[in-house]
Amino acid sequence: GAVVSQHPSRVICKSGTSVKIECRSLDFQATTMFWYRQFPKQSLMLMATSNEGSKATYEQGVEKDKFLINHASLTLSTLTVTSAHPEDSSFYICSAGGLAGGELFFGEGSRLTVL
Amino acid sequence: AQSVTQPDIHITVSEGASLELRCNYSYGATPYLFWYVQSPGQGLQLLLKYFSGDTLVQGIKGFEAEFKRSQSSFNLRKPSVHWSDAAEYFCAVGQTHTGTASKLTFGTGTRLQVTL
Repeated sequence: GAVVSQHPSRVICKSGTSVKIECRSLDFQATTMFWYRQFPKQSLMLMATSNEGSKATYEQGVEKDKFLINHASLTLSTLTVTSAHPEDSSFYICSAGGLAGGELFFGEGSRLTVL
Repeated sequence: AQSVTQPDIHITVSEGASLELRCNYSYGATPYLFWYVQSPGQGLQLLLKYFSGDTLVQGIKGFEAEFKRSQSSFNLRKPSVHWSDAAEYFCAVGQTHTGTASKLTFGTGTRLQVTL
């Protein structure tokens, strides 16, 4: 299947700093990318949907100024957690779609720890 | 609004035994259903999906699932579980399956433990 890569896989930062997570589709053009957040032992919660070249659509309750999403090309979307705080610590997973059949391909996830 | 319920938080089975993981969904139109597996600290891998047609779908790793519209269910089964199947399993429902990538709603997951 198609490959989606996230980087970094783990990141630790100090409170108040910003962190950028990249999501790349390696062998296909991803017209749509989704960003999910997963708390320990819980399900994935959709944060936002991004389409290449347009603004992201955020789910209710997700602060768009806190979680900046950019989808500047068909192979790259970035999630920037601005002014991170300990409660932002979580596992962030991206998924990408664009192939026939509508299947989504998931990245390996990025674990953010804010101290 | 679409929703997915996985009633079993944690299931333990012996290696070689059969497995059934339950999934119930709520969706106003024709559902597009998926099962994913997640190993600890990893992303999600698609096991199988149902869009239309035959209600019994075959997936990877020997898994299958049956769509039952009357029961709003999409239960995952495997005849003989292997120790390597221990993982978290997520059922999901999507809004569409053609053209535009599907926005998925996930269930809370079922953690499978396999005893030797």
